[in-house]
Amino acid sequence: GQQVMQIPQYQHVQEGEDFTTYCNSSTTLSNIQWYKQRPGGHPVFLIQLVKSGEVKKQKRLTFQFGEAKKNSSLHITATQTTDVGTYFCALGGSNYKLTFGKGTLLTVNP
Amino acid sequence: NAGVMQNPRHLVRRRGQEARLRCSPMKGHSHVYWYRQLPEEGLKFMVYLQKENIIDESGMPKERFSAEFPKEGPSILRIQQVVRGDSAAYFCASSQGQSAAEQYFGPGTRLTVT
Repeated sequence: GQQVMQIPQYQHVQEGEDFTTYCNSSTTLSNIQWYKQRPGGHPVFLIQLVKSGEVKKQKRLTFQFGEAKKNSSLHITATQTTDVGTYFCALGGSNYKLTFGKGTLLTVNP
Repeated sequence: NAGVMQNPRHLVRRRGQEARLRCSPMKGHSHVYWYRQLPEEGLKFMVYLQKENIIDESGMPKERFSAEFPKEGPSILRIQQVVRGDSAAYFCASSQGQSAAEQYFGPGTRLTVT
């Protein structure tokens, strides 16, 4: 089945610094989704990317889908303590089955 | 609250006991998905059900695990004769149609096997 590698596994930043997490696949993806999971919480859908080279922004979050549709990134500008959590990418290759990356745990030092 | 509901939120079982996890989908949703999350891991697909039908159980261990989504009532994920390796967070998601793009997750059940 499809697999995705997500890096880094952990990232600790000072409040105000930027943060980026990356997802890479060996195969071309039809779409990719991003989720955020707070400690002890459940995954919350952030966004879906479908088009090659697509860039979407949500306030301080910027999501990119690579030109070859094999990689994606999530960038947070000027992190805040509320950004703490694990960020997952997920492949929605089939009609219903989501394949999740292992996630990047972001901690923010105030 | 019209969100996906799961109960119990926390469940402790001794080895060999049975665990029953319940999931009530969002109102109007007839598609339910179960995922398992081991510590510091991503979520792994287990099973996809529609009312009274199992559509895909390819991610579910063949022994001890079963799932159902009856005509009336919540979806149930049942684990018989639990072992320590079953300790994990089990998340249910639901969608209105068959879609990987529109799944809404419940708060999860944290199962601990002692």
